[in-house]
Amino acid sequence: KAGVTQTPRYLIKTRGQQVTLSCSPISGHRSVSWYQQTPGQGLQFLFEYFSETQRNKGNFPGRFSGRQFSNSRSEMNVSTLELGDSALYLCASRMMGPTNEKLFFGSGTQLSVL
Amino acid sequence: GDSVTQMEGPVTLSEEAFLTINCTYTATGYPSLFWYVQYPGEGLQLLLKATKADDKGSNKGFEATYRKETTSFHLEKGSVQVSDSAVYFCALSETGNQFYFGTGTSLTVIP
Repeated sequence: KAGVTQTPRYLIKTRGQQVTLSCSPISGHRSVSWYQQTPGQGLQFLFEYFSETQRNKGNFPGRFSGRQFSNSRSEMNVSTLELGDSALYLCASRMMGPTNEKLFFGSGTQLSVL
Repeated sequence: GDSVTQMEGPVTLSEEAFLTINCTYTATGYPSLFWYVQYPGEGLQLLLKATKADDKGSNKGFEATYRKETTSFHLEKGSVQVSDSAVYFCALSETGNQFYFGTGTSLTVIP
């Protein structure tokens, strides 16, 4: 079974631009979550999608948005990029249910904003 | 709100040394607790978990016990190897909803 796939692996953008990151979950997983990882802050939760609906949302500005498609693939968009958005963006998928708490992570997209 | 606090790193140990990484949590209910590990260039992967008080999670020689009285879930290993060098994250989740992660502890094991 293929793991969680994130594309692209690396991105370099300039301030003010926008960016779209993609995540393909493990087959059969309908929940996709996004996290921002930075050296000082660790993992910060962005949002979670399940069956094309946003289920939870973290404390990030509205410049960060996402969506999920009918095949469970998810995209994350960041508009009007700022230097502080430079980070590793991780996607995680999981089966839903009270006993399915294991997150499966992709390798991430490393975003650098210049 | 829910949160996780883990010890600052980086931690550097010699091979075969004993490892402890401290983790404490704050939660409104009865969360499940996790340790995830991130090897260089990879995403996180689940190392072990415990779902209720006094449960002990274990995997690959690592152990952690869910201590409700001290709200702790410290990670331990009796004899670390070079291959254990990674970043370790403590995390919690209440009823499988939003996950809260600590800031991560970097471990380097030298031969």
